[in-house]
Amino acid sequence: SQTIHQWPATLVQPVGSPLSLECTVEGTSNPNLYWYRQAAGRGLQLLFYSVGIGQISSEVPQNLSASRPQDRQFILSSKKLLLSDSGFYLCAWSFSWDSEAFFGQGTRLTVV
Amino acid sequence: AQSVAQPEDQVNVAEGNPLTVKCTYSVSGNPYLFWYVQYPNRGLQFLLKYITGDNLVKGSYGFEAEFNKSQTSFHLKKPSALVSDSALYFCAVRHWEGNQGGKLIFGQGTELSVKP
Repeated sequence: SQTIHQWPATLVQPVGSPLSLECTVEGTSNPNLYWYRQAAGRGLQLLFYSVGIGQISSEVPQNLSASRPQDRQFILSSKKLLLSDSGFYLCAWSFSWDSEAFFGQGTRLTVV
Repeated sequence: AQSVAQPEDQVNVAEGNPLTVKCTYSVSGNPYLFWYVQYPNRGLQFLLKYITGDNLVKGSYGFEAEFNKSQTSFHLKKPSALVSDSALYFCAVRHWEGNQGGKLIFGQGTELSVKP
């Protein structure tokens, strides 16, 4: 069976510090991978998605970047965090472009 | 552009009563529709999907959804609500981007509260 791991679960970082959130998927190959952010409230904003190694599509120009160095690894980064980067970050994967996505447990990021 | 709308921020239901959480969609071409549930401080859990076939789709935990093409709706339903169904529910649609694959676009969510 497939599993998705996302860490850390919570993170408190000062403004201006770097960020690296990691997500890995086990039990499948060449998954579609996604990063979402859920701000206070509830809406889910798609940040990045990837259909293969080195293929990253950015949805919203902002202070964040994503990389996919390996088939089942998806990393969300920032060189300098802003207060507005606070939120709940969710990684997800799917078999294909038209299938359902499966989510990790999320990372609660607080920038102080 | 593909989109989904959840017109109700909150739905309140008494335990044992039927529940409906509404979703309407806007797509070009055939819709690929999904429902998810989120419990506090957790990731989203997949409930069910409509790709093609029967308009009534059955999913996890006794939930079902009815696809209505003429009304462009995909409402989530359950015949008898449980207190444990209280959570945040999201409707989502797939958006094909050609060789870039497909994005999954979510509605704003509906908070379901089931009271004893």
